Formats: sequence, C-alpha cells, structure tokens
Amino acid sequence: KQEVTQIPAALSVPEGENLVLNCSFTDSAIYNLQWFRQDPGKGLTSLLLIQSSQREQTSGRLNASLDKSSGRSTLYIAASQPGDSATYLCAVGGREDTGRRALTFGSGTRLQVQP
Amino acid sequence: DAGVIQSPRHEVTEMGQEVTLRCKPISGHDYLFWYRQTMMRGLELLIYFNNNVPIDDSGMPEDRFSAKMPNASFSTLKIQPSEPRDSAVYFCASSHLSRAAKAFFGQGTRLTVV
Repeated sequence: KQEVTQIPAALSVPEGENLVLNCSFTDSAIYNLQWFRQDPGKGLTSLLLIQSSQREQTSGRLNASLDKSSGRSTLYIAASQPGDSATYLCAVGGREDTGRRALTFGSGTRLQVQP
Repeated sequence: DAGVIQSPRHEVTEMGQEVTLRCKPISGHDYLFWYRQTMMRGLELLIYFNNNVPIDDSGMPEDRFSAKMPNASFSTLKIQPSEPRDSAVYFCASSHLSRAAKAFFGQGTRLTVV
C-alpha cells in the first residue's frame, strides 16, 4: 500500500525566503505526482504535475522535482510572499503497471510567510 | 467550464438520518473521485469511477456508504444512517485519462452529524 510522507508538517518563514518542501513515497511504480495548494476552508488546486517519465516541472516561482527511484519529490518556492501562505499537499498518482489512477495524499505542509 | 461542482456546501444533520452529497464533474473527464478529509486522517480516497463504472471502492468505510454515477455528468455519495464520526469534508474530483492530466477538485461539502 502506497504511503506518502511530507516534511516538515509546518513552516514559518519571513517574506522573500526561498524554501523547499519535501515529499517521500514508498512505492516507486507511480503514474504521476502532483503538488496541490489548499487554502483554509477551500478545495485543492493542482500547482504542478510531474509525469512518471519526467524529472521536474516549473511554473513561475515554483519548481517541483521527482526522483522515482528514491521515492522523493521536492517543491521549491522562490522568493516567498505572504500570499503563498497555505497548506501544500503532495499526491502520488496511481500505478504504472495496474492502471490505477487514484491519488494518495501526504498529510501536507502548512506554510506561513510572514510579511 | 465552471469546474467541479459539489452540493450542498454545508450539511448539518442528526445522527441516523440519510445524507446525500452530489457532484457534477468537468465535462469530458473520464475519472471521478470521492475523497474525505479529516484532521486526524487527512485526505482519504473513498471510491473512484472510470467512464461511470466504479473501479475501486475499497476506501468506503462500511456498508452505510454508497456511491453511484448514473451518467457522465453526475455522481452521488450517500450515507445511511449517518453517524457523528462521519463528520468531515467530502471532496469530489475529476480528471482526464492522460498521465499529464491534473485532477480538479470541487469546493467540498462540509458534513456535520450531531
């Protein structure tokens, strides 16, 4: 059974800092990996998706990397802003071999960026 | 497209009552997922459908929970009878088949069973 772990559970940084969120997973036969953002009382928004054959994806100040063999992914946020404050969730998508498509989520990293 | 639409946004019900949550996925998406989020257990998959067919319902807690997808544009999650431990936020999500396809989530239904 796939297990996804996110470290740290919470993070508070001053505005402008670069930061790294970590995600690890136990089964490397994944279909894809997504990083989501969740604001309090809201739904989830997919930020970046890395396909199983890819190593990284970038969108603006966000960069996500994937190392399938070691079961790790990182989300890098450059020049953090107060508007980045939210919970960030890592989700591993399915299995390559079985066609399973459901996401398995980590418990999230709660980020607070201080102005 | 308006995105994934869930209703109601909030539901407060008494223990023992039947609760029905509704979801309209994004048009053209092949997959529909139901998740439950709690502080203790985080986001858990309940069930997912591919082309309206249930594929994996192993996450459905017990027989009190049932889900249907009668057509490509509508799904329901029913709890009967409801219990206080069912209190959670229930999310519906949909996506395309492609490995490059992101999952799109609805705003969720916050269920409180008293």
